[in-house]
Amino acid sequence: EAGVVQSPRYKIIEKKQPVAFWCNPISGHNTLYWYLQNLGQGPELLIRYENEEAVDDSQLPKDRFSAERLKGVDSTLKIQPAELGDSAVYLCASSYQSGGADEQFFGPGTRLTVL
Amino acid sequence: GENVEQHPSTLSVQEGDSAVIKCTYSDSASNYFPWYKQELGKRPQLIIDIRSNVGEKKDQRIAVTLNKTAKHFSLHITETQPEDSAVYFCAASRLAAGNKLTFGGGTRVLVKP
Repeated sequence: EAGVVQSPRYKIIEKKQPVAFWCNPISGHNTLYWYLQNLGQGPELLIRYENEEAVDDSQLPKDRFSAERLKGVDSTLKIQPAELGDSAVYLCASSYQSGGADEQFFGPGTRLTVL
Repeated sequence: GENVEQHPSTLSVQEGDSAVIKCTYSDSASNYFPWYKQELGKRPQLIIDIRSNVGEKKDQRIAVTLNKTAKHFSLHITETQPEDSAVYFCAASRLAAGNKLTFGGGTRVLVKP
């Protein structure tokens, strides 16, 4: 079974430029998460989708960040415009939510560097 | 919201010795506590988890203990091996709230041969 796929793996952009990250979850997983991981810290949730609905986006900086999960499968996270402080690893995770302790499987992440 | 603190931030042990990582959480309603291992440049992977209705869980060389009264839980690794070197993250969540994980700051474990 293929794991969570993310692309690109690395991205270097100049500040004020837009950037987009893509995530393909494990087949059949109805829940998708985007996390931000700063260097030396634990992941922090940005947004959680159940199917195509964003059910928790309270920590997403909506002035510059947006996300979508059309058709409840793949997801895209966008930053426009990027700032220096956005440099981090963006992790996507997925799970099959059955109401129990459903393991979240992480992708390899996209390492963003904003110059 | 939930706040998870993790200690120590770095841990160096001799191969064969034990390693213990401790976490405290703030939300008494949290009832699920997973531990993730992240090797350098790789994705976090679940190594063990525990629910609040259990006090201890063991899987080969790793074990997790939970003290709900004190709101802390710990990861124990016995007979450490060089491949145990990684960053370990604890997390806490309320399963009824969609399993939103709040992570600790991580512990970098180095096992010296």
